[in-house]
Amino acid sequence: DAGVTQSPTHLIKTRGQQVTLRCSPKSGHDTVSWYQQALGQGPQFIFQYYEEEERQRGNFPDRFSGHQFPNYSSELNVNALLLGDSALYLCASSVGRSVRDTQYFGPGTRLTVL
Amino acid sequence: GEDVEQSLFLSVREGDSSVINCTYTDSSSTYLYWYKQEPGAGLQLLTYIFSNMDMKQDQRLTVLLNKKDKHLSLRIADTQTGDSAIYFCAETLLDTGRRALTFGSGTRLQVQP
Repeated sequence: DAGVTQSPTHLIKTRGQQVTLRCSPKSGHDTVSWYQQALGQGPQFIFQYYEEEERQRGNFPDRFSGHQFPNYSSELNVNALLLGDSALYLCASSVGRSVRDTQYFGPGTRLTVL
Repeated sequence: GEDVEQSLFLSVREGDSSVINCTYTDSSSTYLYWYKQEPGAGLQLLTYIFSNMDMKQDQRLTVLLNKKDKHLSLRIADTQTGDSAIYFCAETLLDTGRRALTFGSGTRLQVQP
């Protein structure tokens, strides 16, 4: 049973560019959440997708956007990259939207903005 | 509001018990989680507890919850070098229906042989 997968594993971009990160949820999971983890800090919630819609959003600017596909996979897009966007981006999947449903994390995509 | 705090660092000897502590501020019903992160890796779910419980045990792991003090701890018995990692405490709220996890800054556990 494959767990949560993310691609790419590493990415280097320059300021002002745009980036797209991808996530495939664990088999049987239909909800995807994205988190940003800066170096030395805990993950910060970006947003959550369920039934192809953004259901909840953290304190992140509109430069951060996402999408969920019919097969439940998801993309995170970041426009106009800033140096401060350098971080590990984690995807988590779960079943349904009940708060009882545990979130399982992928290995992350490390984004470096130069 | 919600805030989760942890101590930054803990060093123990192999075979000893480790106790990692966490405090949270939200008094609403909640689930509380412990995740483990090894260098360069994602987060591995270790265990979780609902806020109406006092204790949960899972093999070498024991979670204790003091609701009055909003204090959560993770005890690892017979700590091994493979337990060296960063441990994150996280909570998610029940009554608002929110699903977002709020994480602490993590506690780095160093196990000395």
